[in-house]
Amino acid sequence: QKEVEQDPGPLSVPEGAIVSLNCTYSNSAFQYFMWYRQYSRKGPELLMYTYSSGNKEDGRFTAQVDKSSKYISLFIRDSQPSDSATYLCAMSTSNTGNQFYFGTGTSLTVIP
Amino acid sequence: GAGVSQSPSNKVTEKGKDVELRCDPISGHTALYWYRQSLGQGLEFLIYFQGNSAPDKSGLPSDRFSAERTGGSVSTLTIQRTQQEDSAVYLCASSLLGGAGSEQFFGPGTRLTVL
Repeated sequence: QKEVEQDPGPLSVPEGAIVSLNCTYSNSAFQYFMWYRQYSRKGPELLMYTYSSGNKEDGRFTAQVDKSSKYISLFIRDSQPSDSATYLCAMSTSNTGNQFYFGTGTSLTVIP
Repeated sequence: GAGVSQSPSNKVTEKGKDVELRCDPISGHTALYWYRQSLGQGLEFLIYFQGNSAPDKSGLPSDRFSAERTGGSVSTLTIQRTQQEDSAVYLCASSLLGGAGSEQFFGPGTRLTVL
């Protein structure tokens, strides 16, 4: 079993839709949860960062962490064509040194 | 300011040849990471540097892979006797201090194709 599972998609939505992206994980020790956005032929860039459980909102983006279910989500409201990218979840814990565990990424296309 | 840069951006090589991939991290960042990204596989951790030391080499897939970092800055990932399964995008990232909660800044990657 992989440490982090993420549905690769692809996911295609119309402009303005609410997008929900999800990851599940197996290591209950994970404390830090991140979402990265990766455009084609580019490196990933950090989008959202959450420590432990709870919600975090930044503009159109909301990250949720449910540690009891080992489940994290990223919601994108009022999706735009510029949101079309691959979204990777990542997580880590100080117990694993400096290893970050990434999901496989979900490919999202927002259709104008 | 300048971000993380990697060179070359693309590398095509023949099976059995050695390749060197270079990473220039953000100035002042003490931590540097190498990852491999294959289609459908996500980012696979390879190695982590803190300064010039590599306390965690656990992700290197075989002894054909090695990496070094000099002057607390530039890092080189070397793959000897390349195999077709080594074909992937190799990503480098740096962070200011390292640590489990640190933000990593990624370079654009080197796309390696082994024929």
